[in-house]
Amino acid sequence: QKEVEQNSGPLSVPEGAIASLNCTYSDRGSQSFFWYRQYSGKSPELIMFIYSNGDKEDGRFTAQLNKASQYVSLLIRDSQPSDSATYLCAVNLSGRSTLTFGKGTMLLVSP
Amino acid sequence: DAEITQSPRHKITETGRQVTLACHQTWNHNNMFWYRQDLGHGLRLIHYSYGVQDTNKGEVSDGYSVSRSNTEDLPLTLESAASSQTSVYFCASSAETGGLSYNEQFFGPGTRLTVL
Repeated sequence: QKEVEQNSGPLSVPEGAIASLNCTYSDRGSQSFFWYRQYSGKSPELIMFIYSNGDKEDGRFTAQLNKASQYVSLLIRDSQPSDSATYLCAVNLSGRSTLTFGKGTMLLVSP
Repeated sequence: DAEITQSPRHKITETGRQVTLACHQTWNHNNMFWYRQDLGHGLRLIHYSYGVQDTNKGEVSDGYSVSRSNTEDLPLTLESAASSQTSVYFCASSAETGGLSYNEQFFGPGTRLTVL
């Protein structure tokens, strides 16, 4: 099993819809989880981090963490064409001080 | 404003040449990282440093080296460039976390390296 897995997509949603991006990780002891957004040809930028079970909301973005099931998700409400990008999930796997990234999910929001 | 810069932004070199990519941050962060990003592989960690004189190997460190002589800079050297090292390279930095797991990383703009 890969350490951090994401569906590569593309995930296509119409403008105004909710986009749901998922990430699973291999290590039950992992502590903290990050979602980065990367526009084509640009560097990753942090959207949200979460380290407690449950939901964390920031504007149109909600991160959801379920440590028992070892998944973290990112919901984007009222999706906009400007949200079209690749979304990277990153995890602090237990025993490591570095981040391990998934391969990313491409999101396409159509007007 | 604090920032992290990389140079050059684009580089074309030949197989066998030594290449150094520069990374400079003004965040005063202790932690610095080098990643490469390739289609189908995502971001992979090459080397990282938690402070001056500290360097550590990541998952794809073969053929690369780093040195940390001050807080601001972590240059990445390709000892003898190979075509397999054609990639986009990102430098990142993060603050000291005192052992906590939260460590937001800030990324530089990237360097696109082509090895012919």
